Amino acid sequence: DAKTTQPPSMDCAEGRAANLPCNHSTISGNEYVYWYRQIHSQGPQYIIHGLKNNETNEMASLIITEDRKSSTLILPHATLRDTAVYYCIVRVAHSGNTPLVFGKGTRLSVIA
Amino acid sequence: DTGVSQDPRHKITKRGQNVTFRCDPISEHNRLYWYRQTLGQGPEFLTYFQNEAQLEKSRLLSDRFSAERPKGSFSTLEIQRTEQGDSAMYLCASSLDVGGNTIYFGEGSWLTVV
Repeated sequence: DAKTTQPPSMDCAEGRAANLPCNHSTISGNEYVYWYRQIHSQGPQYIIHGLKNNETNEMASLIITEDRKSSTLILPHATLRDTAVYYCIVRVAHSGNTPLVFGKGTRLSVIA
Repeated sequence: DTGVSQDPRHKITKRGQNVTFRCDPISEHNRLYWYRQTLGQGPEFLTYFQNEAQLEKSRLLSDRFSAERPKGSFSTLEIQRTEQGDSAMYLCASSLDVGGNTIYFGEGSWLTVV
């Protein structure tokens, strides 16, 4: 079963920041937080991952609370192409035999 | 980086027929995963290879399903005697067992059993 809890859906105005929350209160010390997104009818796309420090790349920023029990994915300037289902997953990063376990994710709708 | 490639992208088959999907992982990725996704659900893990060795199989992988990765490069997923409940998108993913072991997915193969 997925070890994360996400809101089923969110809306965001185009050009504004999209802040997607995720709760992972049972996360273990060696588990990373991964974010993927899935645009309709396509395969999941890797976005970002982190352990305890905040992370930023060209797609998004990941903010992890100090107790690591929750995190927020930030898309700084959402566009219509960011409309997708966003999945938050916790996983031991270096172990290949711990597959990604997907929940139902958050359906983000970016509105013009 | 050509990404994970899957073939065919779409397949319609009659119930009872066999189907085979092929996956070409990212070059030099030694780990390969198969997932299944039905409408409205997140992807579900089916099986995982490290090189040519199949190291883990989900209970979702019934005995009608078989996956191979004979030379540690491409992989095939065969479904025998297809049933309507097999209709889904079958996703392949790959990763390298160094660094962050980030898993990258292909675009999926859609199966419709009629």
